[in-house]
Amino acid sequence: DAMVIQNPRYQVTQFGKPVTLSCSQTLNHNVMYWYQQKSSQAPKLLFHYYDKDFNNEADTPDNFQSRRPNTSFCFLDIRSPGLGDAAMYLCATSRETSWPYNEQFFGPGTRLTVL
Amino acid sequence: DQQVKQNSPSLSVQEGRISILNCDYTNSMFDYFLWYKKYPAEGPTFLISISSIKDKNEDGRFTVFLNKSAKHLSLHIVPSQPGDSAVYFCAASVQGAQKLVFGQGTRLTINP
Repeated sequence: DAMVIQNPRYQVTQFGKPVTLSCSQTLNHNVMYWYQQKSSQAPKLLFHYYDKDFNNEADTPDNFQSRRPNTSFCFLDIRSPGLGDAAMYLCATSRETSWPYNEQFFGPGTRLTVL
Repeated sequence: DQQVKQNSPSLSVQEGRISILNCDYTNSMFDYFLWYKKYPAEGPTFLISISSIKDKNEDGRFTVFLNKSAKHLSLHIVPSQPGDSAVYFCAASVQGAQKLVFGQGTRLTINP
């Protein structure tokens, strides 16, 4: 089955220690997104890639970076995690950015704990 | 500023009855609305959507209603089944734009 895969499902890191979360897709979609979801809050878009073009949300902290080395993979790098960065991180993909091909398909998420 | 709001964090409904989940939005530029369903330990999955040119869209047991003047949409599930127990997210976007703005979610529990 075509899908969006996130590894690891659970990640524990120390305060200030860089961490990388991974997302891969077999859907061959052009667009890949990263969302942050804190407990009982709405998922919040951090940034997205359309192919190799990176699009950052205005309020995404500089501490968050992303890489997309090829169509299938996208990484979220947190350079110096703080306690406030503990959250569920969701990766999603879509075929295009505009309707009717902008339905987003989500991975299961990576839950990040910062000690 | 929360542009999409789901004011009920949780809802409990008897099996076989109707479940109604509500969502309000503030941005009048939104013209495309979606509902996602999320089970524990899984990512959200697309359920149903509606464009602002419609006021109703139906798919099996699921119907979404849109009231543009009130900036309100609702998801009706009839009849409710135990497998419908999940967190439901409302999301909105401007067609042609890539960004989905999500609500906080409503946890629906269907009781046997």
